[in-house]
Amino acid sequence: GQQVMQIPQYQHVQEGEDFTTYCNSSTTLSNIQWYKQRPGGHPVFLIQLVKSGEVKKQKRLTFQFGEAKKNSSLHITATQTTDVGTYFCAGGEYNAGKSTFGDGTTLTVKP
Amino acid sequence: NAGVTQTPKFRVLKTGQSMTLLCAQDMNHEYMYWYRQDPGMGLRLIHYSVGEGTTAKGEVPDGYNVSRLKKQNFLLGLESAAPSQTSVYFCASSYSALRKEQYFGPGTRLTVT
Repeated sequence: GQQVMQIPQYQHVQEGEDFTTYCNSSTTLSNIQWYKQRPGGHPVFLIQLVKSGEVKKQKRLTFQFGEAKKNSSLHITATQTTDVGTYFCAGGEYNAGKSTFGDGTTLTVKP
Repeated sequence: NAGVTQTPKFRVLKTGQSMTLLCAQDMNHEYMYWYRQDPGMGLRLIHYSVGEGTTAKGEVPDGYNVSRLKKQNFLLGLESAAPSQTSVYFCASSYSALRKEQYFGPGTRLTVT
């Protein structure tokens, strides 16, 4: 079945440093979504990418979808303590009723 | 709009007891999902539904059953709880096959002793 892998599993940064998490799928995706889960909270939808090579920005967050639609990345510029949490990607296959979640990257930010 | 709500928020069960978790959404979403999340781990899909009256198995369906009798509700049942089912359970919903962004409920923290 489809597998979605995320790296790294953990990332510790100093406030102000940049952060990137990578998501790789074993199969070609129809779309990919990104979610953020704060400690003790529930996952919150951030963005969905659907086009090959698509790049979207939300303030300090930049999301990319690979040309082959098998990988994606989330880049945060100049991290802040409010960025702390676990970031999940979820890949949706064509004609599938579900998306497969990666195991997440947990970001901690030292003030 | 309340979004996705889950009942109850917390529950402690003894081994062998049964219970039902209720998920309700008021966004007219077609798709609904049940996940479990163990401490420090990712989300594992238990069961999902692509529409009223339909259900399908996810990654870890054993020991759980589901029903989707109404579009807005998705029930998760544990017939005979086991300590291995201690987890946080999240329900989610999404609009369609094309709009797959999922909206999650606040979760149910279940402990089985």
